Amino acid sequence: AQSVTQPDIHITVSEGASLELRCNYSYGATPYLFWYVQSPGQGLQLLLKYFSGDTLVQGIKGFEAEFKRSQSSFNLRKPSVHWSDAAEYFCAVGPGGGNKLTFGTGTQLKVEL
Amino acid sequence: GAVVSQHPSRVICKSGTSVKIECRSLDFQATTMFWYRQFPKQSLMLMATSNEGSKATYEQGVEKDKFLINHASLTLSTLTVTSAHPEDSSFYICSANGATEETQYFGPGTRLLVL
Repeated sequence: AQSVTQPDIHITVSEGASLELRCNYSYGATPYLFWYVQSPGQGLQLLLKYFSGDTLVQGIKGFEAEFKRSQSSFNLRKPSVHWSDAAEYFCAVGPGGGNKLTFGTGTQLKVEL
Repeated sequence: GAVVSQHPSRVICKSGTSVKIECRSLDFQATTMFWYRQFPKQSLMLMATSNEGSKATYEQGVEKDKFLINHASLTLSTLTVTSAHPEDSSFYICSANGATEETQYFGPGTRLLVL
């Protein structure tokens, strides 16, 4: 069965500092990996996705993520965090083809000014 | 592109009534739509997968007679919470993807409060 682990429930960083959110997955085949962001009371917005090819993917809002098959990880990074990045971040994995996704439990990001 | 809307954004109803939530793909045809439920400070729990023109596939533990899903067209799916009770109060989110689309696009969610 597929699963996603986001080890950090809460992370607090200072504005301007770098950020890394961890995501580890368990999946039997080549996974389709996603990062979504959710602001309070809102739906989910896609930040980036990995299907194949270059293992470093660029997303919106200055985010990037790196797929490491050997570590079963897909960590999200941003070199300089802005106060508006404070939100809940979800990592998800799926088989592609429009099939259902499995979500991690989320990481709540707080940004200190 | 790839915009998904939900209506209403929030609804308050009395216990025992039924509530219908609409999910629309505005600029693409959604062959598959998904309905999720999210409790405060928790992750998304998939309730069901609906494909246009066929019956929805419900996840284990989700009552199909309680949560009626209809996907009558390629741009609209509806979730009806029948005989709602306070424990059904939650944030309901839909997502959709097209026939050749690997990515799910999410709606803004519907906050349901059952009194």
